Amino acid sequence: EDKVVQSPLSLVVHEGDTVTLNCSYEVTNFRSLLWYKQEKKAPTFLFMLTSSGIEKKSGRLSSILDKKELFSILNITATQTGDSAVYLCAVTNAGGTSYGKLTFGQGTILTVHP
Amino acid sequence: DGGITQSPKYLFRKEGQNVTLSCEQNLNHDAMYWYRQDPGQGLRLIYYSQIVNDFQKGDIAEGYSVSREKKESFPLTVTSAQKNPTAFYLCASNPDTGRRNQPQHFGDGTRLSIL
Repeated sequence: EDKVVQSPLSLVVHEGDTVTLNCSYEVTNFRSLLWYKQEKKAPTFLFMLTSSGIEKKSGRLSSILDKKELFSILNITATQTGDSAVYLCAVTNAGGTSYGKLTFGQGTILTVHP
Repeated sequence: DGGITQSPKYLFRKEGQNVTLSCEQNLNHDAMYWYRQDPGQGLRLIYYSQIVNDFQKGDIAEGYSVSREKKESFPLTVTSAQKNPTAFYLCASNPDTGRRNQPQHFGDGTRLSIL
């Protein structure tokens, strides 16, 4: 059974701090790892990672994947109150009838105080 | 604008009642998914469909049913057999998973509560 574990489960920081969110996974047939940000409603897509060691970057957010050690990190620099959200990590399975299935972690609740 | 529309946003169910949650997409996506989100548990997959007239059970399908008669629609029925239906339900879709590795995109969700 595919499994995704995120840590920490919650994190409280002040504006301007840098945070690192962790995601480790076990999947029978890995295709990709995805990060989403969820505020009140729909999760919004941040990154999709398929190759080890290649950093993906969008503004103050960046992410990298290590397929040997089976984990990914999401970094947010110079945090702002608008970064407060639940950050979800998920892996996609590439095998058989599970093709395209997403397995999610529990999420990390990030709270950024002014 | 293209997107995924879920309705209603809030739904209340009496004990023993079946309810149906709507999910419609105009993105021409082949694959559609239903997830359930409970506090502290992330998203769990209920059912998914990779093509019209076909669907597969996810990890927590018991007490739920779906249909996929049209490409753009994937309704979820929460039956009376689902003993703990109070949750936030999210629908997602993405293009043909066979040829393109694309992320899933989500609707705004339906919050279901038991009266």
